[in-house]
Amino acid sequence: DGGITQSPKYLFRKEGQNVTLSCEQNLNHDAMYWYRQDPGQGLRLIYYSQIVNDFQKGDIAEGYSVSREKKESFPLTVTSAQKNPTAFYLCASSPPGGRREQYFGPGTRLTVT
Amino acid sequence: EDKVVQSPLSLVVHEGDTVTLNCSYEVTNFRSLLWYKQEKKAPTFLFMLTSSGIEKKSGRLSSILDKKELSSILNITATQTGDSAIYLCAVDSNYQLIWGAGTKLIIKP
Repeated sequence: DGGITQSPKYLFRKEGQNVTLSCEQNLNHDAMYWYRQDPGQGLRLIYYSQIVNDFQKGDIAEGYSVSREKKESFPLTVTSAQKNPTAFYLCASSPPGGRREQYFGPGTRLTVT
Repeated sequence: EDKVVQSPLSLVVHEGDTVTLNCSYEVTNFRSLLWYKQEKKAPTFLFMLTSSGIEKKSGRLSSILDKKELSSILNITATQTGDSAIYLCAVDSNYQLIWGAGTKLIIKP
């Protein structure tokens, strides 16, 4: 079955620690995205990647970093520089050929105390 | 600045009612409008609309785009408790999706 997986589902960290969220897809999609979702707000784009070894900052990239070494994988690191890291993080990918619908993983809920 | 506004922010109705959710947008380069349903975790894709006045339909859900009014509506008829979710609207502008805050729909039995 094709799909997008994110791990872990829940993550707890102490303030000051970096943490990496995993996102893997076997849909053969070129483009991948990371969003942050806070209660009462829409999805906010952190980073996106249209192709392997290339990625661009979204609207709220500060305090985050990504890599795209393989087509299937787009991990997100939440660094200690991110001031309010507690949130629900969603990874998505979109099919090639200019189609714009995005398909989402189940998300990771990160809590930093 | 591109923005997408959804209304209402939340809505509580009884099973069997019909609901209409609204999405309005102001974007620099409109390409398409998308609707998603988010239950507990991942948003799932419902519709993509590109042409004004053409209704997209899937079972009890339907949606239509009005480019003149810069808006779209999502209708759900004969609602069921399984329709309870957050409904998200997004607009593709300049090859990025701009997201609304969502409408939280609660269906009471």
